[in-house]
Amino acid sequence: EDQVTQSPEALRLQEGESSSLNCSYTVSGLRGLFWYRQDPGKGPEFLFTLYSAGEEKEKERLKATLTKKESFLHITAPKPEDSATYLCAAYNFNKFYFGSGTKLNVKP
Amino acid sequence: NAGVMQNPRHLVRRRGQEARLRCSPMKGHSHVYWYRQLPEEGLKFMVYLQKENIIDESGMPKERFSAEFPKEGPSILRIQQVVRGDSAAYFCASSPDGESNQPQHFGDGTRLSIL
Repeated sequence: EDQVTQSPEALRLQEGESSSLNCSYTVSGLRGLFWYRQDPGKGPEFLFTLYSAGEEKEKERLKATLTKKESFLHITAPKPEDSATYLCAAYNFNKFYFGSGTKLNVKP
Repeated sequence: NAGVMQNPRHLVRRRGQEARLRCSPMKGHSHVYWYRQLPEEGLKFMVYLQKENIIDESGMPKERFSAEFPKEGPSILRIQQVVRGDSAAYFCASSPDGESNQPQHFGDGTRLSIL
């Protein structure tokens, strides 16, 4: 069965405490792995696309990596404004499979 | 640049009524997707449309739900004879013309409440 699993479900960090979010996928014929950020009451905001194993993308304090089975979103020295739910999605054959997200809370 | 526009933002219906949710994709985007999200859960795929065509509706319930994306105007998700279990946030996303594996851009959703 094609599915995406994210862990942990929730993560509390102190400001400046780096960590990683995991996205494991069992999606055949993967044609893209996407990361989004979602704030309460808002739609998901696009962050990164990764298309092949070994690929990495960076944006400010965030770095996304991809292997054949999972993707990681590394957060370096997070700030309170990084608090949000982070969603990953795997794409194949017309369909995006979303994980349930990791709810990140960064305390000052 | 206008993003994906969804309206209404909030919709309240009584059981048995019809709900119509509208989505205007970003300019230049011909792929439209509809998702449903329950609190503390991820997005569940419902339907994928291109102009005047339903490409994949495998995530949409066979009864009471329908979607369209006409040549002119917004995409519409229609729910007939709503029930309490239809209460959720419904998100629309669009992606650019060309390859369908490009990033989706989301609207801020319609929150549907059934009394």
